[in-house]
Amino acid sequence: GENVEQHPSTLSVQEGDSAVIKCTYSDSASNYFPWYKQELGKRPQLIIDIRSNVGEKKDQRIAVTLNKTAKHFSLHITETQPEDSAVYFCAASLSSGSARQLTFGSGTQLTVLP
Amino acid sequence: ETGVTQTPRHLVMGMTNKKSLKCEQHLGHNAMYWYKQSAKKPLELMFVYNFKEQTENNSVPSRFSPECPNSSHLFLHLHTLQPEDSALYLCASSQEDSANEQFFGPGTRLTVL
Repeated sequence: GENVEQHPSTLSVQEGDSAVIKCTYSDSASNYFPWYKQELGKRPQLIIDIRSNVGEKKDQRIAVTLNKTAKHFSLHITETQPEDSAVYFCAASLSSGSARQLTFGSGTQLTVLP
Repeated sequence: ETGVTQTPRHLVMGMTNKKSLKCEQHLGHNAMYWYKQSAKKPLELMFVYNFKEQTENNSVPSRFSPECPNSSHLFLHLHTLQPEDSALYLCASSQEDSANEQFFGPGTRLTVL
C-alpha cells in the first residue's frame, strides 16, 4: 500500500518568513495530494490540494508543488502569520473504486513566532 | 447544524463496556470514513463506506464494528477495547466523482481505562 513520509516534524519560523514542508510518497499510481491544517483542538481542514496532472498550484500565500518523477510534493507558506501556527498534514491517494483512501503523513507542527 | 457532526465529543469507557460513536453529515455526500488519530502518529484510515457499502476496513480489529444505515449516518460500535485504543476518532465525508475533498467532523476523544 501507499506510504507517506513527512518532514520536518516540527518547524519554527519568524513571522513574515516562509515555511516549507515536504512529503514523499511510495505508490507511483497515486494521483491526488491534499494538505490539511489542524489547529489545536479542532478538526483537520483542507487548505490546498493538487492532482497529478499539475506541477504547481497557488492560492494566495499558500502553494503546493508536485514532482511525480521523484514522488514528492511540498507545501510552501509565504509571509507567515501567527494564525498559521497549526499541525499540517500531507496525504496521498489513489481513487479506489468510487471512494478515495487517503494515506496521511505524520504531520508537521508549525509555530510562527511573533 | 451544518457540515459533519459527531457525538459524543468525549467518552470514557472501561475495557468491558460497549459504546457507540455517531457521525452525521449534512452535506449530501455519498462516502463516509472513520479515522483514528493518536498522538504523534499519522491519521489512520479505519473504514470507508461508499453508497452505504463498506469498501475497505484496513485490517481493523473486530472490537471496532462500523455501521452505515444510510448515506448520512455512520456509527462505530465499540466493545472490549484496550487502553491503546484511546485516541481521537474522526469521521469524514466526501462526494466522490467530484471535488474529492474530505470534510472532517470535530472528533470523539475516547479514553479507555
